[in-house]
Amino acid sequence: NAGVTQTPKFRVLKTGQSMTLLCAQDMNHEYMYWYRQDPGMGLRLIHYSVGEGTTAKGEVPDGYNVSRLKKQNFLLGLESAAPSQTSVYFCATEAGTPYNEQFFGPGTRLTVL
Amino acid sequence: GQSLEQPSEVTAVEGAIVQINCTYQTSGFYGLSWYQQHDGGAPTFLSYNALDGLEETGRFSSFLSRSDSYGYLLLQELQMKDSASYFCAVPPSGSARQLTFGSGTQLTVLP
Repeated sequence: NAGVTQTPKFRVLKTGQSMTLLCAQDMNHEYMYWYRQDPGMGLRLIHYSVGEGTTAKGEVPDGYNVSRLKKQNFLLGLESAAPSQTSVYFCATEAGTPYNEQFFGPGTRLTVL
Repeated sequence: GQSLEQPSEVTAVEGAIVQINCTYQTSGFYGLSWYQQHDGGAPTFLSYNALDGLEETGRFSSFLSRSDSYGYLLLQELQMKDSASYFCAVPPSGSARQLTFGSGTQLTVLP
């Protein structure tokens, strides 16, 4: 079992370019999340999904869009990248247990020039 | 809204005991979680407290006092591999599923 995987691992974009980050899970979890982590800071929730076909805004959704067409995949899109979106992006999944255990992917390190 | 406060850095020596505190402000409290993150790695789940008291898992223990909106992570018999960032997290107001993370405590274990 691969758990939670993220594609790509690294990416450099120019301002104004677009890209899509892919999160895939084989854990059959209902809940999926996209976070960003900036140096010396905690994780901030961008968007999340409570099941296939659903998405919702988190704490910092501006400049991002998401889709959850299949239960196992959660896509994060940047339509017009800005230097402020330079960050490490983590995807996480959760089974909906009482103790809120989230399983994280390895992260995508994105630099916007 | 919700907020969490934890120290930014803690240093201890191998074999020692260290306590990382976390105070939180949120309405509709569900539970306090702790995650560990090594440099360049992904966060991994350590513990969850929904009720007051101490939960022990091996060398790590986590404590919660709901009346004080306070919890801590206790690491015993410190090892070099425990050097990492530790984050406390709580669900935001009105939600049991999402998590709001603190800014993290960087633990450095010295030989």
